[in-house]
Amino acid sequence: KAGVTQTPRYLIKTRGQQVTLSCSPISGHRSVSWYQQTPGQGLQFLFEYFSETQRNKGNFPGRFSGRQFSNSRSEMNVSTLELGDSALYLCASSPMGQSSYEQYFGPGTRLTVT
Amino acid sequence: AQSVTQLDSHVSVSEGTPVLLRCNYSSSYSPSLFWYVQHPNKGLQLLLKYTSAATLVKGINGFEAEFKKSETSFHLTKPSAHMSDAAEYFCVVRFRTTSGTYKYIFGTGTRLKVLA
Repeated sequence: KAGVTQTPRYLIKTRGQQVTLSCSPISGHRSVSWYQQTPGQGLQFLFEYFSETQRNKGNFPGRFSGRQFSNSRSEMNVSTLELGDSALYLCASSPMGQSSYEQYFGPGTRLTVT
Repeated sequence: AQSVTQLDSHVSVSEGTPVLLRCNYSSSYSPSLFWYVQHPNKGLQLLLKYTSAATLVKGINGFEAEFKKSETSFHLTKPSAHMSDAAEYFCVVRFRTTSGTYKYIFGTGTRLKVLA
């Protein structure tokens, strides 16, 4: 099976702009989770989508949002970008959501905000 | 409250010598625990998991970890380090929230350096 894919791999945006990142989970996986990884804060959970519904949410402002489509592909959107949003954004999929034990991670999208 | 602490931010070992990466957790309930590895510019790969079965867990690439409830530890070990083991390692605790969903908490990571 193909692994989790994320597009784009690298992105440079300017403060105030918005950005959309995409994640395609492993075939058959219904859950997609998003994480932000920064040197200062480490890995932080953003949200989880399962069967097109947001099931779990971390402590991020409303500028961060996401959605999941019927084919389980997911997008996350960040509006009004700030310098502190520069990070590696990781997507992880699992068969049945976080009740599954394993999460399979994609390679990430590295976002740089200037 | 749930938390996970990786006691060393950096560990250096010589190739062929044992590896020990330390992890302590705090959890109100019986946790599920994981170790993930991240190579540069790559996503995270699951090394092994503890889910309340055997306390000694074997993973991929010769790694293993032992769950010690009395010490609230889940240290990762490998008998003999290989150059390809150089990477960042994350200890993760999974817990069930009061609403019935699950959340993962990641440790801050341990960067393993393997010297030739």
